[in-house]
Amino acid sequence: GNSVTQMEGPVTLSEEAFLTINCTYTATGYPSLFWYVQYPGEGLQLLLKATKADDKGSNKGFEATYRKETTSFHLEKGSVQVSDSAVYFCALRLSGSARQLTFGSGTQLTVLP
Amino acid sequence: SAVISQKPSRDICQRGTSLTIQCQVDSQVTMMFWYRQQPGQSLTLIATANQGSEATYESGFVIDKFPISRPNLTFSTLTVSNMSPEDSSIYLCSVEKGAQGYGYTFGSGTRLTVV
Repeated sequence: GNSVTQMEGPVTLSEEAFLTINCTYTATGYPSLFWYVQYPGEGLQLLLKATKADDKGSNKGFEATYRKETTSFHLEKGSVQVSDSAVYFCALRLSGSARQLTFGSGTQLTVLP
Repeated sequence: SAVISQKPSRDICQRGTSLTIQCQVDSQVTMMFWYRQQPGQSLTLIATANQGSEATYESGFVIDKFPISRPNLTFSTLTVSNMSPEDSSIYLCSVEKGAQGYGYTFGSGTRLTVV
């Protein structure tokens, strides 16, 4: 079946540190890939996305590259801020009629000043 | 992207009762998705609601427990029936707007506590 495996958290970093949250997927066909962020007490927000191999999604200093050969979509940021503290979810969406998202387990990130 | 209004935002309910959650979208969409997020866990799809047809439920979720209505292309409800403390979760609706991979919008969620 289709699944998303995320790096287990929680992750705690100091401000300005480099962030990587690993995400790998298993899917039939060619999925679109997403990173969603959930700030404390808030709803889910789309952070970035990529729809085909080698695409790079980017937003707010975060980046992720769709790697078909390694079935990965790792999230990176060069210098995290305290305001980046949140739960990050990797997700995929298959092409075709099954249009719902399949989510990873989520990774809690805490950035300390 | 679409804007979703979801309500109630939170509720505390007695076991054995039912709660209906509403989602209103500011534009017409074909599919609406209902997810559950149990405490400290990821989102799990409950069902997909299409206008004019029965909702499609995922494994582990049944219509008697989670009846869904989809009377038109901008509105849907999810009812959590005969609640128990295990139903305490955040429930979210979601829509996909635009072409494949365009992006999904989520409602702000309903935080349900069953006592």
